[in-house]
Amino acid sequence: GQSLEQPSEVTAVEGAIVQINCTYQTSGFYGLSWYQQHDGGAPTFLSYNALDGLEETGRFSSFLSRSDSYGYLLLQELQMKDSASYFCAVADNAGNMLTFGGGTRLMVKP
Amino acid sequence: DVKVTQSSRYLVKRTGEKVFLECVQDMDHENMFWYRQDPGLGLRLIYFSYDVKMKEKGDIPEGYSVSREKKERFSLILESASTNQTSMYLCASSPFHEQYFGPGTRLTVT
Repeated sequence: GQSLEQPSEVTAVEGAIVQINCTYQTSGFYGLSWYQQHDGGAPTFLSYNALDGLEETGRFSSFLSRSDSYGYLLLQELQMKDSASYFCAVADNAGNMLTFGGGTRLMVKP
Repeated sequence: DVKVTQSSRYLVKRTGEKVFLECVQDMDHENMFWYRQDPGLGLRLIYFSYDVKMKEKGDIPEGYSVSREKKERFSLILESASTNQTSMYLCASSPFHEQYFGPGTRLTVT
């Protein structure tokens, strides 16, 4: 089976940096993904890590440590529009089946 | 741009009714998925299809069935709707790691 743990809620101020952690226990592991979902919207893909290390895409970066079964999403220069829920998800085989964490609600304050 | 559409944004059905939720993608993706999303539980996979007429059970298949007669279309069927199936239902398609989600159907069973 799979289980993923991430904080339920994080609050930060505009312009700051925030890190959302994700730890997982899985019977198989292929990669760790991150998705963003605004209220009332569909989840949208942010990043994917299959190997250890940091992947950077603009203001967002994602990190993976396979030996620690741990990853995080780093959001820099926070903007109000970054207020959303963020989900980590583990792909446990090449068939792309994902198991999602419960989501972290990020609130960005002025 | 990838487009995933779902047949309804909101649906209200009575207990015991047969319910069909349809999903169509326009990118010729092999993989399609049905999830349900409930507060605090993240997205849970109901069924996954990796080809026409092929399907695999996800984490919570009980009470649901699926049909994939054409590559672009993946249907979720609730054989006899129950109140505990009141939820947001999200369809996704994927060429590989990145999943593209439809807007969701909020189903209420009364």
